[in-house]
Amino acid sequence: QQQVKQSPQSLIVQKGGISIINCAYENTAFDYFPWYQQFPGKGPALLIAIRPDVSEKKEGRFTISFNKSAKQFSLHIMDSQPGDSATYFCAAIYPGNQFYFGTGTSLTVIP
Amino acid sequence: GAGVSQSPSNKVTEKGKDVELRCDPISGHTALYWYRQSLGQGLEFLIYFQGNSAPDKSGLPSDRFSAERTGGSVSTLTIQRTQQEDSAVYLCASSLEGNSHNEQFFGPGTRLTVL
Repeated sequence: QQQVKQSPQSLIVQKGGISIINCAYENTAFDYFPWYQQFPGKGPALLIAIRPDVSEKKEGRFTISFNKSAKQFSLHIMDSQPGDSATYFCAAIYPGNQFYFGTGTSLTVIP
Repeated sequence: GAGVSQSPSNKVTEKGKDVELRCDPISGHTALYWYRQSLGQGLEFLIYFQGNSAPDKSGLPSDRFSAERTGGSVSTLTIQRTQQEDSAVYLCASSLEGNSHNEQFFGPGTRLTVL
C-alpha cells in the first residue's frame, strides 16, 4: 500500500522552464513533508520541507505548495537548470518518526 | 566533517547466503534509519534506531532481516538466506535526534545483487 503517491514518474523540461512534481497522501496524521533530491550513485539529500500548517514555502528557486484540504503537495522548480537533473522524492512523516517516500520523479532539464 | 558511510558499496552474493551491511552514522547523531531502494519503488522504510534501541521494526520485510546497533553508533543490517528479490540498494541515514523534523543525512548506499 503506497502511503504517498507521486507523479509524474519522469519529467523533461527545457532550461529556464518550470518543473512541477506532485504528491498526494491519505493519512492526516502525517506532520512533516520533506522533498529529497538524489543524484546517481548518491544517497538522497534534503532539499526543502514544509509543515501542514503552512501553505507555501520558498527557498531560492524551489517552492513547496501545500493543500491540506486536498491532501496534496507539490514541488516547483523555477528557472530549471541542467544541474537540477536528478531524481526527486517527496516524503511524509508520522510523529512517531516513520518516513514514507513517494516512488520518485526522474527530472531531466535539457540545455 | 565526515558524512554517513556505508560498506561495502557493492555486494554480490549467491541465493541462500547471508550478508551483513554496515552503516557508520555521523558522529553525535542518535537516530539511525535503514531504507531499501528498489528500481521504480522509491525508498522503503525498514527500521529506525534511537540510540541502541529500535522503537520501530515494522518495516522489516521478513524474519530473514535483522538489524542491530551497538554503542549508539555503528549499525549492521543482516539478511539471512538471501533471495533474488532482496536485490536493491540499501540506504542508511542518521539524524541528530529521533524527531521527525530533524534532517536525515543519507549515506551513499550498498548495492546488493543476489544471483
